[in-house]
Amino acid sequence: DAKTTQPNSMESNEEEPVHLPCNHSTISGTDYIHWYRQLPSQGPEYVIHGLTSNVNNRMASLAIAEDRKSSTLILHRATLRDAAVYYCILRLPVQGAQKLVFGQGTRLTINP
Amino acid sequence: DTEVTQTPKHLVMGMTNKKSLKCEQHMGHRAMYWYKQKAKKPPELMFVYSYEKLSINESVPSRFSPECPNSSLLNLHLHALQPEDSALYLCASSQVLSGTTGGYTFGSGTRLTVV
Repeated sequence: DAKTTQPNSMESNEEEPVHLPCNHSTISGTDYIHWYRQLPSQGPEYVIHGLTSNVNNRMASLAIAEDRKSSTLILHRATLRDAAVYYCILRLPVQGAQKLVFGQGTRLTINP
Repeated sequence: DTEVTQTPKHLVMGMTNKKSLKCEQHMGHRAMYWYKQKAKKPPELMFVYSYEKLSINESVPSRFSPECPNSSLLNLHLHALQPEDSALYLCASSQVLSGTTGGYTFGSGTRLTVV
C-alpha cells in the first residue's frame, strides 16, 4: 500500500495558522489524499480530501504539490480544540469500497 | 442522521466469553469497516464490507467474526479472545467508491478489555 510520512509532533499557538506537512512520494495517479484528525477518546474525524487541485472547506485547506508527492493541511486560525492527532492518508480503491491505511500521524499541540 | 453509532461503549470480557460489538448507520452508506486501535497507535484496518458482502479480511484471527446482516448494521462477534486483543474497536462507513466520494464517518468506538 502507498505510504505517507508525517512529522511525529508539531506545536503552535492559539489563533495562529498551522501548516501540517505530508510526503507521499509513491502516490499513484488515482489515489486521493485524505486528512483525518482524532481527538482524545474519539474516533477519527474526516477533515478534507483532494486529488490534484487545492481544496478549501469550513475546517481547513489542503494544498497539493504539482507533482502530488506532498501535501499540506492548513488550519487558518488554530484553537485549543484543534489539538489532536492528524493523519494524512492515501485512499485506495479496492473491491467496491475505499481502503484507508493510517500512518503514524502528527500530534498537534496548541498553546494558549 | 450523519452518525455511526457503536454499542456498547465499554466492554469487559473473559477469555472464554462470547460477545458482540454492534455498529449502525443510517446515511445510506454501502461500505462499512472495522478497525482496531491500540493505545497511542494509529487505527489498523480489520475488515471491509461492500454491499453487505465481505470484501477484505486483513488476515484477522478467526476469533473475530464479522457479520453484516443488512445495509445499516455491522456486527463483530468475539470469541476466545486474548488479553492482547484489548483495544478500541472502531466502526466506520462510507459511500462505495466513486470519483467524488468523500470520507469515512467513524463511530466513537467500543473500548474492549479482555481479562
